[in-house]
Amino acid sequence: QKEVEQDPGPLSVPEGAIVSLNCTYSNSAFQYFMWYRQYSRKGPELLMYTYSSGNKEDGRFTAQVDKSSKYISLFIRDSQPSDSATYLCAMSLNTDKLIFGTGTRLQVFP
Amino acid sequence: EAGVAQSPRYKIIEKRQSVAFWCNPISGHATLYWYQQILGQGPKLLIQFQNNGVVDDSQLPKDRFSAERLKGVDSTLKIQPAKLEDSAVYLCASRTRVQETQYFGPGTRLLVL
Repeated sequence: QKEVEQDPGPLSVPEGAIVSLNCTYSNSAFQYFMWYRQYSRKGPELLMYTYSSGNKEDGRFTAQVDKSSKYISLFIRDSQPSDSATYLCAMSLNTDKLIFGTGTRLQVFP
Repeated sequence: EAGVAQSPRYKIIEKRQSVAFWCNPISGHATLYWYQQILGQGPKLLIQFQNNGVVDDSQLPKDRFSAERLKGVDSTLKIQPAKLEDSAVYLCASRTRVQETQYFGPGTRLLVL
């Protein structure tokens, strides 16, 4: 069993849709949870960062962490074609050794 | 603020050849990471430096991979000899001592034939 599981997609949605991206994990000791966005042929860029449980909102993006279920989510409201990218969840015990999911490829069509 | 710089951006070599990648982190970032991202997978940490010292190299295949950060600034990652399964994107990331966010470079895309 992988430490972090993420559906690779692809996920195709129309512009304006609400997108839900999810990851599950097996290590209950993880404390730091991140979502990275990676455009084709680029490095990952941090979108959202959460310490321990709870929700965090930043503009159109909301990150949720449910440690009891070992489940994290990223919601994108009013999705735009520019949101088309691969979304990687990552988590760690501290802030160093990030364990990434495989990434979910998202396509938002006009 | 300039981002993490990496070169070359692309490299094609034949198996058993050697290759080296270079990374220049964001100025002032003491912590530097090398990740390997195989197609269709998430990045996997290979090695972490704090200044010029190695903090974690537990997932570095030390029989063929080596890395150094001699002056605590830029870093090189070397593969010798390369295998077909080393085909991947090699990402460099950095952060400050106190900051939690890792900033990634654009990566070097390696193809081993």
